Amino acid sequence: AQKVTQAQTEISVVEKEDVTLDCVYETRDTTYYLFWYKQPPSGELVFLIRRNSFDEQNEISGRYSWNFQKSTSSFNFTITASQVVDSAVYFCALGSRGTSYGKLTFGQGTILTVHP
Amino acid sequence: GAVVSQHPSRVICKSGTSVKIECRSLDFQATTMFWYRQFPKKSLMLMATSNEGSKATYEQGVEKDKFLINHASLTLSTLTVTSAHPEDSSFYICSARDSWGNTIYFGEGSWLTVV
Repeated sequence: AQKVTQAQTEISVVEKEDVTLDCVYETRDTTYYLFWYKQPPSGELVFLIRRNSFDEQNEISGRYSWNFQKSTSSFNFTITASQVVDSAVYFCALGSRGTSYGKLTFGQGTILTVHP
Repeated sequence: GAVVSQHPSRVICKSGTSVKIECRSLDFQATTMFWYRQFPKKSLMLMATSNEGSKATYEQGVEKDKFLINHASLTLSTLTVTSAHPEDSSFYICSARDSWGNTIYFGEGSWLTVV
């Protein structure tokens, strides 16, 4: 069975602080995908990143960066110089490849609040 | 703009009635769609996989007679909550996998309140 754990239920920071959201996963699949989504209060899921399990390169996109460590089954997400608009719930998710692609297991989510 | 549209975005229904939620892929064909449920301040839980032209595959613990899923065309899957109860109140969100199987698109979600 697949499992995703986001140990941080809530994080509160002040604007311009850096913040890291942790994600640890379990899977028996040898290849898989990892995702991060942002969910604002309106509810829709905003796609942030998809990472293939055989690509361990870290990625940076503007103020966002992701650190994938296959050896520790972690896929952490860092927001640099946080802004109030970053306040949302962030979900890490794990998905299989192949015919089951699209069937995601989500973590519990981390509520991020950025104060002005 | 949205490539997967859900309708209605919000619905209130009375206990005992049935309510249908639509998930539509707007500019691509989706042979496979997924339905998730999210309780307030909780994670998203996969309810079922909807395959065009065949029966849906339900996750363990999901009542298939309660949550009827129909995927009658390549662009539309529907979730019908039958004989709704207040405990069915939740946020329901669908996703669609494009025909090439490369990308997943989520709908905007539907808030269901049963009174």
